[in-house]
Amino acid sequence: QVQLQESGPGLVKPSGTLSLTCAVSGGSISSSNWWSWVRQPPGKGLEWIGEIYHSGSTNYNPSLKSRVTISVDKSKNQFSLKLSSVTAADTAVYYCARFDARPGGYYMDVWGKGTTVTVSS
Amino acid sequence: DIQMTQSPSSLSASVGDRVTITCRASQSISSYLNWYQQKPGKAPKLLIYAASSLQSGVPSRFSGSGSGTDFTLTISSLQPEDFATYYCQQSYSTSITFGQGTRLEIK
Repeated sequence: QVQLQESGPGLVKPSGTLSLTCAVSGGSISSSNWWSWVRQPPGKGLEWIGEIYHSGSTNYNPSLKSRVTISVDKSKNQFSLKLSSVTAADTAVYYCARFDARPGGYYMDVWGKGTTVTVSS
Repeated sequence: DIQMTQSPSSLSASVGDRVTITCRASQSISSYLNWYQQKPGKAPKLLIYAASSLQSGVPSRFSGSGSGTDFTLTISSLQPEDFATYYCQQSYSTSITFGQGTRLEIK
C-alpha cells in the first residue's frame, strides 16, 4: 500500500526558507490523487498548508499563500514544500498526506509519520 | 474560509460510555466532512469520510452523521484505545479547514 515519508532539515533559521520533501512509495505520484501538506504547532491543532496534483496544479491556504510553494517531481515520485520568511510561529510537526476521493467525499487517507521543524537561531 | 467549530473542546468519559462530538460549519458544506483521530506523537488517522462513511478497517463503534452545517461523530461504546483527540475537516472548499479538535480523556 502507499506509504509517505517526510524528510528535511529539523532546524531552520528565522527569515530563512523551510524545505521538506515527501517520498511516495508503494504507488505512483501520477495517480488520480492530490498530495498535501498539513502542519501542527506544538500543543495545537491541525492546519492545512496546501496541495498539488501531478500536473502541477496547486491549491494553497490563503493565510500562507504568499510564502508557500509546493512542487512535484514525478521522476523521483515525490513532492516538496517550501515555506519562506519563516518565524518561530512556523515551528511545527509537518505531515504530508494523500487525498483520495469517492462520490461525495474528498479526504486524506494516507499520512506520513511527520517531521518536526524548529525555527530558531 | 469556512470555519469549523467543534464541541466540546474536551470531554471526560469512561470505558463503555457512548460519546458524541459535534462539528459545525460556518456555511453549508453538503456532506464534505471527514473525521480524524490523533494519538499523541502520531499522525492523524481517517475514521469517517463523506460525513457518514466508515473508513476501511475502522471499528463499527464509530459512526458519523449530518449534512449541511451540523455533523456528529459518535462512539457507541468507548474502548481504552479510543482516548485521543478528534478533528473534523471540511473538503467542500478548495481551502481545506479543520476544527480545533476535541480531546477525549479517561474519567
